[in-house]
Order: sequence, then C-alpha cells, then structure tokens
Amino acid sequence: EVQLVESGGGLVQPGGSLRLSCVVSGFTFNANGMTWVRQAPGRGLEWVSGISASGTTTYYADSVKGRFTISRDNSKDMLYLQMNSLRAEDTALYYCAQGWQWHDYWGQGTLVTVSS
Amino acid sequence: EIVLTQSPATLSLSPGERATLSCRASQSVSSYLAWYQQKPGQAPRLLIYESSNRATGIPARFSGSGSGTDFTLTISSLEPEDFAVYYCQQRNNWPETFGQGTRLETK
Repeated sequence: EVQLVESGGGLVQPGGSLRLSCVVSGFTFNANGMTWVRQAPGRGLEWVSGISASGTTTYYADSVKGRFTISRDNSKDMLYLQMNSLRAEDTALYYCAQGWQWHDYWGQGTLVTVSS
Repeated sequence: EIVLTQSPATLSLSPGERATLSCRASQSVSSYLAWYQQKPGQAPRLLIYESSNRATGIPARFSGSGSGTDFTLTISSLEPEDFAVYYCQQRNNWPETFGQGTRLETK
C-alpha cells in the first residue's frame, strides 16, 4: 500500500521558518520525482515545488522562489520543504505528492498557519 | 506561466445525468493535461492523465479528451459519489499549473 505522510506544519509568526517532511512507503521512492502542492483554506490547488528522482533538479513557483527549498533523502525515503521568511499568504494545507508530471498518490497534508 | 481556465465554476446536475467539464489553456499544452477529483477533507485523486488516459482504478464512466488548448472531462452517468470539485492540471511546461476548479453539485 502506498503511503505518504506529511509532518512539520504548525503556527508560525510572519518571517519565521518551518521544515515540512514527508515520509513515503509502498513505491520506489528513488525512482520518482516528487512535488509539493498547497491549498489555502477554501481555495484551489497551487503547485509549490518539484524535485527530480535524483534530487539534482528542482523547480519552484515564483511565489516561493528564494524562500523555500525542496530536498530529498533517498536513503530514508523522505521529502522535505524548508520554508523561510514565511508570509500570511503561505497559510495553507501542504501536500506532498508522488510524481514529476502526474500525481498518482498524495498525502493527507500538513497545515501551515502564518499569523502573529 | 500557462493559465488554465475551467468552466463552468459550478455545475448542478442530478445522479444519472451526464457531466461535461471544460478546461482551456492560455497556450498549447499538447496532451499534457490531467484531471483530479477532490472531496471535502480529502486529498486530490488523479482521474485522467495525458488528456485521455484513466488512472488506475478509475471507473469507465470518467473520460477525458482534447489536445492543444481545449480539454473536456466527461462523466457519462453521475453516481452520488461523483459530486466533488474537479481540477485540471498541465505539465507541458514549468511551472506546473492547476485550473481554479469546477464544483459539481447535486441539483
């Protein structure tokens, strides 16, 4: 059974930092690109960042470029999102998703709230 | 950035009816378009990829078509569990983008 489980969300003040993690099982992690997608409360889906299977190639949405860093540890089947300089508009449920192109499997998300 | 525009924003239908959802891209995405279903409190579920290929386990009542800039998701006969929000997504170019969603509600 494929599982993706996110963690690391929480309440943080504007300008603060958080590191999200996603542990996966049930598929060959090191053969798959991975993606972070977020969803603000009551809003649609917004792609945040993607990383290739090897970790050598990364992409970011303009809205997070320079503030967020995606990474992975293929020895631990772990995906990460380091989020710095957080803003109120980063408040959202953050999903990790399998796939570099289409996203067959998703976690249940971890909620990030940026507020003073 | 490629903008995906979905229509209608809300579609009100009854079980057993046919649903037709549209997604239009601001420039060609070839056939690199997918459809997702999202129910309240749940993660999105992949329905269709590469415009017309059903994902694993997706019922045959779901079908996708189109290429270039105009795409359609059709649900041939609505079941009660199909009422949800549907998103299209393109991966022809970075950044990956999603449409704003179509809410399919019970009439």
